[in-house]
Amino acid sequence: QKEVEQNSGPLSVPEGAIASLNCTYSDRGSQSFFWYRQYSGKSPELIMSIYSNGDKEDGRFTAQLNKASQYVSLLIRDSQPSDSATYLCAVNLPELTFGTGTQLKVEL
Amino acid sequence: KAGVTQTPRYLIKTRGQQVTLSCSPISGHRSVSWYQQTPGQGLQFLFEYFSETQRNKGNFPGRFSGRQFSNSRSEMNVSTLELGDSALYLCASSLQDQSSYNSPLHFGNGTRLTVT
Repeated sequence: QKEVEQNSGPLSVPEGAIASLNCTYSDRGSQSFFWYRQYSGKSPELIMSIYSNGDKEDGRFTAQLNKASQYVSLLIRDSQPSDSATYLCAVNLPELTFGTGTQLKVEL
Repeated sequence: KAGVTQTPRYLIKTRGQQVTLSCSPISGHRSVSWYQQTPGQGLQFLFEYFSETQRNKGNFPGRFSGRQFSNSRSEMNVSTLELGDSALYLCASSLQDQSSYNSPLHFGNGTRLTVT
């Protein structure tokens, strides 16, 4: 069965710290990887996409992809209370399949 | 550019009834996908439509169906509603179909369906 796995958390980090969110997937043939952020009561919002092995940076966010290990991660630098949300990893399997999400709490 | 628009935002139905949900994609987007989100199961893929054709279907019973019109707008229908169908139904659009490289989904605000 094709799957996307995430630790459900909650992951608690102090304000200003680096939050590290991880995701593994089952299909070696996957080509597209996305991170979405979902605030409570809202719909998912795309924050990062990555297609090649290595790192991709966008502001405070860095996505990392390792296709050999079937692993994708999201780093959030200088975490802010407004980053508190559920982060969803999505992989094309080939339909876009979502993990159950990791709840991030950024504490003052 | 307007985002993905879903109507209605909230629905309350009773068991056995049927319901139709509507989705207007971002202008220029040809693919519309539907997902069901529940606290226990997370986001579950229902189906995808591209150029009025169903491209892919998730593991849901035949009570769940959909269609796409020539203007890319899509509707989803659920017949013979069950209590377990209570969920947030999310529509998402993308430029190309989901199997295409570099074609992320953009979600609407969802329709919250409650079945009593």
